Amino acid sequence: ELKVEQNPLFLSMQEGKNYTIYCNYSTTSDRLYWYRQDPGKSLESLFVLLSNGAVKQEGRLMASLDTKARLSTLHITAAVHDLSATYFCAVDISGGSNYKLTFGKGTLLTVNP
Amino acid sequence: GAVVSQHPSRVICKSGTSVKIECRSLDFQATTMFWYRQFPKQSLMLMATSNEGSKATYEQGVEKDKFLINHASLTLSTLTVTSAHPEDSSFYICSAVNSGGAKEQYFGPGTRLTVT
Repeated sequence: ELKVEQNPLFLSMQEGKNYTIYCNYSTTSDRLYWYRQDPGKSLESLFVLLSNGAVKQEGRLMASLDTKARLSTLHITAAVHDLSATYFCAVDISGGSNYKLTFGKGTLLTVNP
Repeated sequence: GAVVSQHPSRVICKSGTSVKIECRSLDFQATTMFWYRQFPKQSLMLMATSNEGSKATYEQGVEKDKFLINHASLTLSTLTVTSAHPEDSSFYICSAVNSGGAKEQYFGPGTRLTVT
């Protein structure tokens, strides 16, 4: 059974600081996704990582994937209040054949002024 | 592109009644759609995979007779919660996979179901 573990589950940080959220998974996969969820809203796609060594950046967020270590990271640079949200990673172990995702528990990020 | 809609966005129903939630892919065709349930402060839990023209595949522990899924066209899947109970109150989110494009899930805005 695939397990997807995120840590930390709760992250409170000050504006301007940097931090990393980790996503470990237990079964071989080269398809990993990061999503953002605001309270009361659905998921917003942030990054799609489809190969070992993939790195993608958008604004203050950067995601990477190491398939050998079964690890993805979401790095936050110079956090701002608008980044406060819950962040989920999700893994597809089907190789893209059935698109089924297993989600981590999510990381609730609070950025304080 | 890749927009998925859900209707209704919010619904309140009485215990024992049934409620139908629609999930539509607006600008692409979706052979496969997924239904998730999310309880407060928890992650998304996959309920079932909806396949156009065939029966849905339910995850372990999900009652297929209670959560009826129909995927009658390439742009529409419906989830009917039958004989709803207060414990069915949750945030239901669907997603759709673009059959002809990038093979990733596009998520709908969600439906907040409250059973009184």
